[in-house]
Amino acid sequence: ETGVTQTPRHLVMGMTNKKSLKCEQHLGHNAMYWYKQSAKKPLELMFVYSLEERVENNSVPSRFSPECPNSSHLFLHLHTLQPEDSALYLCASSQGSGWAYEQYFGPGTRLTVT
Amino acid sequence: AQKVTQAQTEISVVEKEDVTLDCVYETRDTTYYLFWYKQPPSGELVFLIRRNSFDEQNEISGRYSWNFQKSTSSFNFTITASQVVDSAVYFCALSDANAGNNRKLIWGLGTSLAVNP
Repeated sequence: ETGVTQTPRHLVMGMTNKKSLKCEQHLGHNAMYWYKQSAKKPLELMFVYSLEERVENNSVPSRFSPECPNSSHLFLHLHTLQPEDSALYLCASSQGSGWAYEQYFGPGTRLTVT
Repeated sequence: AQKVTQAQTEISVVEKEDVTLDCVYETRDTTYYLFWYKQPPSGELVFLIRRNSFDEQNEISGRYSWNFQKSTSSFNFTITASQVVDSAVYFCALSDANAGNNRKLIWGLGTSLAVNP
């Protein structure tokens, strides 16, 4: 069993759809992250939550909306996406939100926007 | 500005060969952390090692070893006697330990390692 789980693993959605990605960590960590991974680009940090409060939002378009109801769960709500949003979306958690902590990743959701 | 360069985009070796993955970083900070992560085909990044800027001792963990040299701003990763299961994309990352609003983890583009039987 992995410490960080993500569902769904694959998602195909049209540009007018609304969907949500879910992440759950079983490690007792206090911080959670959303990353976007596109081919030939560095990993892009999207959002950081520490103790359920958003501490960082790296200029992500409003069509991506995060939600962190508790320290174990993180959601990414998607609406009116663009084809360029197709990517692997990775969730991660760490013991603290300082950048000295190693992060533990889920397997990702492969998103395709048609 | 902080930057991580992994010059090797793809490496292909035959099983049992030794292979070194290069990582060169740029930072003006005196206190920082360096990381290596492995991303197998299954997708999740797996943490391998963290090193802080004040600890230049090399690290060995089984077949894995890391060579940290501040003089050349490098943090290279060597796999000894590579195995097919080592096939993955390997990422080097740099963080600024002086936490502030601009703190972040700077990622390299990754090196894709293929170990062939």
